[in-house]
Amino acid sequence: DAGVIQSPRHEVTEMGQEVTLRCKPISGHDYLFWYRQTMMRGLELLIYFNNNVPIDDSGMPEDRFSAKMPNASFSTLKIQPSEPRDSAVYFCASSLLAGGHYGYTFGSGTRLTVV
Amino acid sequence: RKEVEQDPGPFNVPEGATVAFNCTYSNSASQSFFWYRQDCRKEPKLLMSVYSSGNEDGRFTAQLNRASQYISLLIRDSKLSDSATYLCVVNGGNNDMRFGAGTRLTVKP
Repeated sequence: DAGVIQSPRHEVTEMGQEVTLRCKPISGHDYLFWYRQTMMRGLELLIYFNNNVPIDDSGMPEDRFSAKMPNASFSTLKIQPSEPRDSAVYFCASSLLAGGHYGYTFGSGTRLTVV
Repeated sequence: RKEVEQDPGPFNVPEGATVAFNCTYSNSASQSFFWYRQDCRKEPKLLMSVYSSGNEDGRFTAQLNRASQYISLLIRDSKLSDSATYLCVVNGGNNDMRFGAGTRLTVKP
């Protein structure tokens, strides 16, 4: 298995532009998570899906952020409009079971810089 | 008080040394516990789960103390390749996984 695949690896964009991050979870994993990591706040859960349905989006910072999972093999995280404070590494992770019983598998992340 | 607290370090140790990290958590209902390893500019990777009875994987030993709400990770015979940030992770249930800020370890020759 190729693991969790994220694209792009790096994204530099200007303030106000729309940014779309993509994720392909491990085949057969029913849970998909979007995390954001910054030096100040560490790893924060933004939203997670179970069987393509959003379960908890309480970590999404504000309405500028949205996430979708149209099918079991693809998810997007969109920021519109982007702001400099959104600069961070965004990780997608997937897991087989609820409760992270066997831990999560993370993708390589997207390093976002908003200038 | 943070939900998961770790000593940020850095821990600088010579090769061959034994080093231990501790982590405390605030949610007494937490159900499962993990140590992740994160290399610089890479994604976190699962190092090991932590069980109530304690568990060992080669040079790594993890312990859980539910009464005191802390988790530990012991690394014996440190290698240069052990240099990384170690993240303590606590699952409060329903995929409520809380990550500590991480402890940075540097193993020097």
